[in-house]
Amino acid sequence: GQQVMQIPQYQHVQEGEDFTTYCNSSTTLSNIQWYKQRPGGHPVFLIQLVKSGEVKKQKRLTFQFGEAKKNSSLHITATQTTDVGTYFCAQGAQKLVFGQGTRLTINP
Amino acid sequence: GAVVSQHPSWVICKSGTSVKIECRSLDFQATTMFWYRQFPKQSLMLMATSNEGSKATYEQGVEKDKFLINHASLTLSTLTVTSAHPEDSSFYICSATEGGAGGYTFGSGTRLTVV
Repeated sequence: GQQVMQIPQYQHVQEGEDFTTYCNSSTTLSNIQWYKQRPGGHPVFLIQLVKSGEVKKQKRLTFQFGEAKKNSSLHITATQTTDVGTYFCAQGAQKLVFGQGTRLTINP
Repeated sequence: GAVVSQHPSWVICKSGTSVKIECRSLDFQATTMFWYRQFPKQSLMLMATSNEGSKATYEQGVEKDKFLINHASLTLSTLTVTSAHPEDSSFYICSATEGGAGGYTFGSGTRLTVV
């Protein structure tokens, strides 16, 4: 399957600061999905992006899909301690291939 | 929403023994389920695709004789780790989807420790 590169690997922020994680592919993606995995937990689906240039928002989370459908980002505004976890992008029509994940830790 | 139940949550077994992990879709039928393995602080690696009524499809590098997958019904897939060794210790997670834009639902995972 197509590989997606995700950066950064780790991000530590002060509570209230913003956070962004990026996924990039060398080839055009049919879709991109985002998941959150809390420490010790399992991945939970956040959103799926399909259209070129698509932007979707969920409260403080903003998801973008690039115009060329080769990159995507997840931005969290004003982080809260409940945002702690690892955020993964994933792509695939049936079987998902996951990015490396970005682990977010927050200093309260 | 879709619910996937996975059991057991954790298991400790002796080296050389076999362990079976169950994955059930509780409120939907899943002709296809997926099994992942996740080592500490790493991403999820797809091991195999479980197909109801037919053989599983394994990813490159995954030993089919060691990781036996059975998908005998539309709501149940099992993964059996045979002759487990300490290097098989990992977090095993299954997933399935109802389709559409709802993404994949993951089971709660099974933490396997082989001693």
